[in-house]
Amino acid sequence: QVQLVQSAAEVKKPGASVRISCKTSDYTFTSYGISWLRQAPGQGLEWVGWIATYNYKTKYSENVQGRVTMTSDTSTSTVYMEVRSLRPDDTAVYYCARHHTYRGSSWLDSFDFWGQGTLVTVSS
Amino acid sequence: DIVLTQSPGTLSLSPGERATLSCRASQSVDNRYVAWYKQTPGQAPTLLIYGASFRATGIPGRFSGSGSGTDFTLTISRLEPEDFAVYYCQQFGDSLTFGGGTKVEIK
Repeated sequence: QVQLVQSAAEVKKPGASVRISCKTSDYTFTSYGISWLRQAPGQGLEWVGWIATYNYKTKYSENVQGRVTMTSDTSTSTVYMEVRSLRPDDTAVYYCARHHTYRGSSWLDSFDFWGQGTLVTVSS
Repeated sequence: DIVLTQSPGTLSLSPGERATLSCRASQSVDNRYVAWYKQTPGQAPTLLIYGASFRATGIPGRFSGSGSGTDFTLTISRLEPEDFAVYYCQQFGDSLTFGGGTKVEIK
């Protein structure tokens, strides 16, 4: 069964950085892209960015452009997201999600498997 | 970006009843680029429908999606206890956005 397992919750101060991991299993890692999405407390879903696991191409939302870096490690089938210069409004549950399209080359897609979520709290 | 407006915000129904959820786009979206998700409290979303009308793997037949252009609908033919949740529509025809969600609660 396809699984995406994320790292544990983090508490950070404004201005700090956080790195979240998403370890995948039971499918060919490089055959599907991975996106990160977030959900602020009591709010809806927001797409954050995408990484193409077969060529490391990335695309980020305008809301986080310049503060986010996504990377992937094919040897461990793991994707990482670093968010820098954290602000209180970055407080959210962050999800990694597998793209639905097999060997898709676009960041535009639906998401068929999701990680369990990682709560990132930004507070002084 | 395309704005998706879901209605109603909350739907109060009893088990066994039919649920009809609406998702309206601010501009036309190709059917291929519309999806629906279900989310229960404390859990990640689950893909229900892709391509506006295709059920994802393992999704029961009581869930169906329809629509075109700017108006899309998710229908749950007979609500089961596990169906009470929040439902989101998504489009990725022009950028990638989600609707604000419809909560289906027990009446």
